[in-house]
Amino acid sequence: DSGVTQTPKHLITATGQRVTLRCSPRSGDLSVYWYQQSLDQGLQFLIQYYNGEERAKGNILERFSAQQFPDLHSELNLSSLELGDSALYFCASSVVGWGLNEQFFGPGTRLTVL
Amino acid sequence: DAKTTQPTSMDCAEGRAANLPCNHSTISGNEYVYWYRQIHSQGPQYIIHGLKNNETNEMASLIITEDRKSSTLILPHATLRDTAVYYCIVRVERTDSWGKFQFGAGTQVVVTP
Repeated sequence: DSGVTQTPKHLITATGQRVTLRCSPRSGDLSVYWYQQSLDQGLQFLIQYYNGEERAKGNILERFSAQQFPDLHSELNLSSLELGDSALYFCASSVVGWGLNEQFFGPGTRLTVL
Repeated sequence: DAKTTQPTSMDCAEGRAANLPCNHSTISGNEYVYWYRQIHSQGPQYIIHGLKNNETNEMASLIITEDRKSSTLILPHATLRDTAVYYCIVRVERTDSWGKFQFGAGTQVVVTP
């Protein structure tokens, strides 16, 4: 158990819909990262927040957005969903914002778009 | 960050050492070598990292060649629970190096009884 929690565990929805994925980082961690893992794309970095501020963007679509709240939990919002958005979405956290060695990953949310 | 090359897959017998190679010929002087692994559909797990000296922890050993163009992750006594995809990642670690973490395709390691 990494200490990072993600809800929900599974999510099934239809094309065109909007969903919100939630992540609670480890106690004391200030940075949150979101990753997408699909079968054909591997593990892709989406976005990073540090203490409430966006710090880095990766391959995140304009239909996707995220935020980190004052209590440091984060939400990833996915809208106008397409079949290709079906994937595992992982959240990770770290104490500092730049340490790859310090990233702890949650169990993931499996999103299925029908 | 430098690109890495890993074999697509490899098998290992339970109880034997698993040696996982990684090529990073374009690595620069301030880039670290990291290893993560992902057991089927679980979140990736940090294993070890190093700059130029060999490193060892409770999970594995990391051997980096003197020219730093390649490295080997060693799992000393592989168990069935070590079956996973292993990712070798090269990355600069500075206080201004935010985000942009790139996981490649990794090596699928299968440990057999």
